[in-house]
Amino acid sequence: DVQMTQSPSNLAASPGESVSINCKASKSISKYLAWYQQKPGKANKLLIYSGSTLQSGTPSRFSGSGSGTDFTLTIRNLEPEDFGLYYCQQHNEYPFTFGSGTKLEIK
Amino acid sequence: EVQLQQSGPELQRPGASVKLSCKASGYTFTEYYMYWVKQRPKQSLELIGRIDPEDGSTDYVEKFKNKATLTADTSSNTAYMQLSSLTSEDTATYFCAKGSYGSFDYWGQGVMVTVSS
Repeated sequence: DVQMTQSPSNLAASPGESVSINCKASKSISKYLAWYQQKPGKANKLLIYSGSTLQSGTPSRFSGSGSGTDFTLTIRNLEPEDFGLYYCQQHNEYPFTFGSGTKLEIK
Repeated sequence: EVQLQQSGPELQRPGASVKLSCKASGYTFTEYYMYWVKQRPKQSLELIGRIDPEDGSTDYVEKFKNKATLTADTSSNTAYMQLSSLTSEDTATYFCAKGSYGSFDYWGQGVMVTVSS
């Protein structure tokens, strides 16, 4: 199975700042990486798939980049509602696997 | 509007079985895989397997092959997951999620299963 290494585990930032979360695959997954947001009491939300394609409804301050084994989620101009948990997931080969998560907190 | 409505929380004894449900609406149920994902407390997400509701075919992640059984009822647009021989390791939140080319574009709200004597 493809192992996904996500970093950092924790991140603190202030509204208005920009942050980046990284995800590294144990082997090439082409462009097939998704990013999710998880918040208490809400359904998990798909933000980006295929590395850089924004899911319908995802604000443009979110962007994804990378291919092969290294990927990045960037959130520019953080809004209060952006704080929560973020997970990457490879969707290149089954079984699809997730990263360990990044907790984005308000500084 | 796509919705996945999962059944309520469960408290089960060790050794018991439990069947979770996930009722889909807002899309054609038979056209997309339904996935099940496990999340232990304070842990990451872990894929259990998937079912093709059109023909009932399933693909399980190896470690869950003797633990989970996935089924689907196309008459009620509902997916089910049965977990057997429950242990404390099965205490977790379980999500159903609609597949979309390998990513998961809609998720259920999750159901907490607690295994305790």
